[in-house]
Amino acid sequence: GQQLNQSPQSMFIQEGEDVSMNCTSSSIFNTWLWYKQDPGEGPVLLIALYKAGELTSNGRLTAQFGTTRKDSFLNISASIPSDVGIYFCAAAYNTDKLIFGTGTRLQVFP
Amino acid sequence: KAGVTQTPRYLIKTRGQQVTLSCSPISGHRSVSWYQQTPGQGLQFLFEYFSETQRNKGNFPGRFSGRQFSNSRSEMNVSTLELGDSALYLCASSSGDSFLQNTEAFFGQGTRLTVV
Repeated sequence: GQQLNQSPQSMFIQEGEDVSMNCTSSSIFNTWLWYKQDPGEGPVLLIALYKAGELTSNGRLTAQFGTTRKDSFLNISASIPSDVGIYFCAAAYNTDKLIFGTGTRLQVFP
Repeated sequence: KAGVTQTPRYLIKTRGQQVTLSCSPISGHRSVSWYQQTPGQGLQFLFEYFSETQRNKGNFPGRFSGRQFSNSRSEMNVSTLELGDSALYLCASSSGDSFLQNTEAFFGQGTRLTVV
């Protein structure tokens, strides 16, 4: 079945550093979404992408929809302690189900 | 505007029992999807309901079922609970007919089910 390969699995960085994570697939999609999940809570939508090549920012977060429609990346600039959490990519095609990546666990040290 | 509401937040059941979880989507949203999240398997898709009809289904046994009411509220039921069913169950609501229509999916806080 369809799978999203998300990397890295975990990151340990210092406050102020930039972060980059990505998701790839062998299938094409027409929607990519990025979520952040805090412990014991549901995922919160960060950025939504709907067109190949689209680059969208939300504050210090920037995400891009890959031109092949098979990948997406998320960048976080100047990380702060509250960026700690698990980041998930998700993708869908038309009315197909939304499938998720395995998550990137981000730890930020002061 | 209220977000996605899931009840209860926490639940403890014993093996062999059955359980019903509830999800109220964002007002105006017609699609509700359910996910099981465990540390080992991540977010696994259970099923999606749109306008009271199951539109997509994941690879879970028949013990997992769901339904959607005319007001878009959804319930999922798990019968004959097993220890491995312990997980965070999340529901997500979205507004559009398909992801072509710039649809975003918003999650509830989840129901933490523990089977003992």
